[in-house]
Amino acid sequence: AQKVTQAQTEISVVEKEDVTLDCVYETRDTTYYLFWYKQPPSGELVFLIRRNSFDEQNEISGRYSWNFQKSTSSFNFTITASQVVDSAVYFCALSEAGTTDSWGKFQFGAGTQVVVTP
Amino acid sequence: NAGVTQTPKFQVLKTGQSMTLQCAQDMNHEYMSWYRQDPGMGLRLIHYSVGAGITDQGEVPNGYNVSRSTTEDFPLRLLSAAPSQTSVYFCASSYSGSLGDTQYFGPGTRLTVL
Repeated sequence: AQKVTQAQTEISVVEKEDVTLDCVYETRDTTYYLFWYKQPPSGELVFLIRRNSFDEQNEISGRYSWNFQKSTSSFNFTITASQVVDSAVYFCALSEAGTTDSWGKFQFGAGTQVVVTP
Repeated sequence: NAGVTQTPKFQVLKTGQSMTLQCAQDMNHEYMSWYRQDPGMGLRLIHYSVGAGITDQGEVPNGYNVSRSTTEDFPLRLLSAAPSQTSVYFCASSYSGSLGDTQYFGPGTRLTVL
């Protein structure tokens, strides 16, 4: 079963609009980490943020912000005042405590394609 | 630091051919892994290694072999390529593979099997 669900396949916005990417995860562990990665058209995967399950504070980094809610098992990502350079595929990933054997394994969502037009 | 490097960037194979995708990192990371990326499926773990001499299978290991003779290198071998192995392959590394370690990815290899 998919442990990380990114239900939005593609989101298209016009520059300066805000865009929110949804990430819903599933785990039985109380200790886990969540990640967001960006994949621009050039293809590489760029790390954006890491959040552990005990830290529910929202985080803001420039135009990026993240809303972590354990009650709804969600870790949503908002880009404020989007720019063309934000056009990319964004992946959410989960790393669970489970056993020590599973620590390094990431479960990725299917990704959300963001298209920002001028 | 070059980070995680992968070669080649693109490759076309015929069914049944073999090849090795190269991956190297210069960050002295213990943990390395290989993922494949397919449309609509995100990234799926093929094999991983927690240190030199130690490898294990991930979610989709069939058709792939790995070895880890040094800390720096983690090659992925396709013994007999099949069209189902057409994908983009990413190598990643992290400091120790401990819970919460961030994985850093290479630029990817786009493989087409005809």
